[in-house]
Amino acid sequence: AQSVTQLDSHVSVSEGTPVLLRCNYSSSYSPSLFWYVQHPNKGLQLLLKYTSAATLVKGINGFEAEFKKSETSFHLTKPSAHMSDAAEYFCVVSDGINQGGKLIFGQGTELSVKP
Amino acid sequence: GAVVSQHPSRVICKSGTSVKIECRSLDFQATTMFWYRQFPKKSLMLMATSNEGSKATYEQGVEKDKFLINHASLTLSTLTVTSAHPEDSSFYICSAGGQGVGNQPQHFGDGTRLSIL
Repeated sequence: AQSVTQLDSHVSVSEGTPVLLRCNYSSSYSPSLFWYVQHPNKGLQLLLKYTSAATLVKGINGFEAEFKKSETSFHLTKPSAHMSDAAEYFCVVSDGINQGGKLIFGQGTELSVKP
Repeated sequence: GAVVSQHPSRVICKSGTSVKIECRSLDFQATTMFWYRQFPKKSLMLMATSNEGSKATYEQGVEKDKFLINHASLTLSTLTVTSAHPEDSSFYICSAGGQGVGNQPQHFGDGTRLSIL
């Protein structure tokens, strides 16, 4: 069975400082992993995805994530936080990328950005 | 632009009312659509998987007679909350599976905030 664990329910950073949102996964085979962002009362927007190509994945808005099989991790990072980055972030694993496989969501990490 | 349109964005109604939420895929055919429920400060909980032309597959613990799902075409799935009660108040999000834009696994709607008085 596949699962994801987001290690922090809430992360607070100052504007301009680095962001690190942690995610560990469990999968019986090579997984497809994603990070989504959700702003209040909105749907989800895909930030980036890993699908067994390059282990360092670059996404939108300056975010990137590194797939580390040895650590079963897929942490999300950004060098410099912006106020507009404040939102809820979900680490997600899929059981199949084609034609919309079922997605398994982590519990989410709320990112706060202080001025 | 949005590839999945969810309507309405907000509903407020009296207890006992049935509420229908629509999820449309724009510019692509979605053979599979998913319905999620999200409680405040919580993650998304998959309620059911809707396949075009067949019965939906409900997750364990989700009442199929309470949450009726219809996926009659490749671009439209509907979720009807029957005889809604205050405990059904929640944020409901749909997604459509398919290649669509950017080869994403699922494209999400903007959600429906359901409030039952």
